[in-house]
This record gives sequence, C-alpha cells and structure tokens, in this order.
Amino acid sequence: DVKVTQSSRYLVKRTGEKVFLECVQDMDHENMFWYRQDPGLGLRLIYFSYDVKMKEKGDIPEGYSVSREKKERFSLILESASTNQTSMYLCASSTSGQGNQPQHFGDGTRLSIL
Amino acid sequence: LAKTTQPISMDSYEGQEVNITCSHNNIATNDYITWYQQFPSQGPRFIIQGYKTKVTNEVASLFIPADRKSSTLSLPRVSLSDTAVYYCLVGGAGGKLIFGQGTELSVKP
Repeated sequence: DVKVTQSSRYLVKRTGEKVFLECVQDMDHENMFWYRQDPGLGLRLIYFSYDVKMKEKGDIPEGYSVSREKKERFSLILESASTNQTSMYLCASSTSGQGNQPQHFGDGTRLSIL
Repeated sequence: LAKTTQPISMDSYEGQEVNITCSHNNIATNDYITWYQQFPSQGPRFIIQGYKTKVTNEVASLFIPADRKSSTLSLPRVSLSDTAVYYCLVGGAGGKLIFGQGTELSVKP
C-alpha cells in the first residue's frame, strides 16, 4: 500500500528558529509536494519537486525553502520561523506533477511557532 | 490559474444521495478534476478523478458538463462515516494544483 510518512505529528518551535519538516515516501514517485492547510483557506501549495534536486515554487513559497537530495525524501525548511507560519503542513507524492494522477498524502505535521 | 469554488458546508441524512458541486470557470484545456476526502487529523484521501463527461468508481461518481466549468461529486447512500471535508482539485501543467476551500459534509442519523 502507498505510504507517505511525515516525521512529526506535532511540533512546537520558537520564533527565529530554523525548522525542518521531513517527508518520506515509499512508492518511488518522482513528484513530491508540500502544502499548508489553514482554516477557511483549504490547502495551499508551498513547493513541489519533480525530481531529485529539482523544485518549483507553489503559490506561497515566501519564508520557506525545500530540499530533495534523495528521491524518497522531501524536506521543508523554515529558515527563520515566524508566528504566521503556525499551521498544518501536509506532504504528498504522485507519479505525475500534471494533476492527472492522484496525490498520496501523509497525515500532516501540526506546527506551532511561539 | 483555475480557481475553484465549493459550498462551505452541507447537511444530509443517512441513506441519501449527496451531490457537491465545484465551480472552476477558468479551467485550462489540460486540467484534470480530482476530488479528495479528509477526516480530522488525517491527510486528504483520493476519491475520484475525471477530465470530461462521467466517471464512476466503487465509492462515487463525478459528473463534468461539456464546458468543464463545473463538476459534481455524487455520493450514493451516504453513511455517518462519510462525514468529512471534501476538496475539489483542478490542475495542472507545471504542478499548479489549486485546491478549493473544501465542503464540510455532515451526515446525520
């Protein structure tokens, strides 16, 4: 069965800290995605990666960066965390970056920035 | 980019058919339409996907009119366990995937 694993379900960090969110998939998918989910706003795409070391900005990349050194792992980095980055973060993977194949999601990391 | 609009919430009773419509007026030629279901504290789960006309699988049907400016997810005979948030997704060459705000479906006994 398809599996996307996010390293933490809950995370509490302080303003100004560098924060790493990790995501691993076991399906050999080329494409991986990071979203944030906020009440009333649905899911918004932060970054996606279509291959190792390749990335493209989504709709809200400001304040975030990503790393994809291995095919199965996609990391989201908050260089200097701020309180407005408190949110639920969801990672997904897919065989396609074109929207014509399903995305498989992890169960999310709820991040609180104090 | 195709923006999607869905009702914020819907109520239903067990055993009824539920139809949730998503508007996507600016859908592009290559865009597919996908619906996801999300329970609290879980990631979204794929339900169904289509490009045009009608698609049916074991859990739902998806109706897409000829102009593709909207789509309707149909859930036959819902049960309490179908209480969830349903997202309409339109995308997307270049990874530009747009989620709607989601429809919170509440199924009552």
